[in-house]
Amino acid sequence: DIQMTQSPSSVSASVGDRVTITCRASQGISNSLGWYQEKPGTPPKLLVYAASRLKSGVPSRFSGSGSGTIFTLTITSLQPEDSAIYYCQQWYSTSWTFGQGTKVEIQ
Amino acid sequence: QVQLVQSGAEVNNPGASVKVSCRTSGYTFTDYYIHWVRRAPGQGLQWMGWINPKSGGTQLLRNFQGRVTMTRDTSLVTVNLHLNRLISDDTAIYYCARDPHYWGQGTLVTVSS
Repeated sequence: DIQMTQSPSSVSASVGDRVTITCRASQGISNSLGWYQEKPGTPPKLLVYAASRLKSGVPSRFSGSGSGTIFTLTITSLQPEDSAIYYCQQWYSTSWTFGQGTKVEIQ
Repeated sequence: QVQLVQSGAEVNNPGASVKVSCRTSGYTFTDYYIHWVRRAPGQGLQWMGWINPKSGGTQLLRNFQGRVTMTRDTSLVTVNLHLNRLISDDTAIYYCARDPHYWGQGTLVTVSS
């Protein structure tokens, strides 16, 4: 099974700050990776797919990069509405795997 | 447009069974697997398995083998998640997803005596 290790587990930053979240796969997954934003009471919202493609409607301050085993989600200029839990997910294998999640808090 | 609509919240006793349904629309039902993911309180997202609506074949996470089954009804374009011998740790929101882009709204299952 492919394991996804996400870090940090939480981050506290100010409005306008740059935030970077990292996800490492236990084996190469090409670009079969997405990033989600989760807020209470709603399903996870896909922000980035294929490692670096921004889903339509997602603000351009979100970006993804990486390939193979190391991936990053960057939020440039953090906004109050970005307070949420963020997950990476791989779909390279027939079974999905999620990272442990990163809680982003606004100071 | 693609939609996945799930059944309503459930409250069940420990040891009971529960069925969560996911009705699809807006695409050819047999063209896409349906995955199930759960979110327990204080835990992250956990993938449970998938069902192939064309064949009925399934793949389950090892943790759920023997206690979880997934079925489909092609006439109703619906897939079902069956969870048996419920324990308190099964209290969670259960999601169906066609692919990363399309998810159901979630179904809260509460296991409590």
